[in-house]
Amino acid sequence: GQNIDQPTEMTATEGAIVQINCTYQTSGFNGLFWYQQHAGEAPTFLSYNVLDGLEEKGRFSSFLSRSKGYSYLLLKELQMKDSASYLCASSGGSYIPTFGRGTSLIVHP
Amino acid sequence: DTAVSQTPKYLVTQMGNDKSIKCEQNLGHDTMYWYKQDSKKFLKIMFSYNNKELIINETVPNRFSPKSPDKAHLNLHINSLELGDSAVYFCASSQLGGTGGRTDTQYFGPGTRLTVL
Repeated sequence: GQNIDQPTEMTATEGAIVQINCTYQTSGFNGLFWYQQHAGEAPTFLSYNVLDGLEEKGRFSSFLSRSKGYSYLLLKELQMKDSASYLCASSGGSYIPTFGRGTSLIVHP
Repeated sequence: DTAVSQTPKYLVTQMGNDKSIKCEQNLGHDTMYWYKQDSKKFLKIMFSYNNKELIINETVPNRFSPKSPDKAHLNLHINSLELGDSAVYFCASSQLGGTGGRTDTQYFGPGTRLTVL
């Protein structure tokens, strides 16, 4: 089975850095995804981690620790447009990602 | 050009009716999915098809019946609609899905907001 936990909501200030944590318990784990979803829109892919460590992609970075069942998404130089829901999804033996409930990030001036 | 498209975008209907949602992808992907996102934003897998064959069927009432006429299309038909069916339904596709022994990035359609009155 799969169990994913992430905070429901976070707030941050424009220009700041925010870290969104995700813990998972996944049988046959083979990867961790992060997706961004703006209100009323479709989820869009941000990152995929298979190995331990930090993957950097512009202002966004994603970290994975397989031994701890833990990942985080790091957003730097926050912009107002980063206000969205961030979905953590883990993939197990079925190779179909299971999504967490998402973290609603509110960026204010 | 739209990669994954769904129609209709909005669907308002009465309890007990039968309705269909259509999905098409032009990415050449082998695998397509249907997800349901409820009011609490929980995105839950319903079905997964690979090359027109069903590979995942989560615990979904048999009122929901997916149909894949070809690998670019995956439609969702819902019989006897209930109030609890109100949600946003997302179609998605990925290159290999679960059959290539690895997990691929999923590309989502714009969603269909279904409201059952």
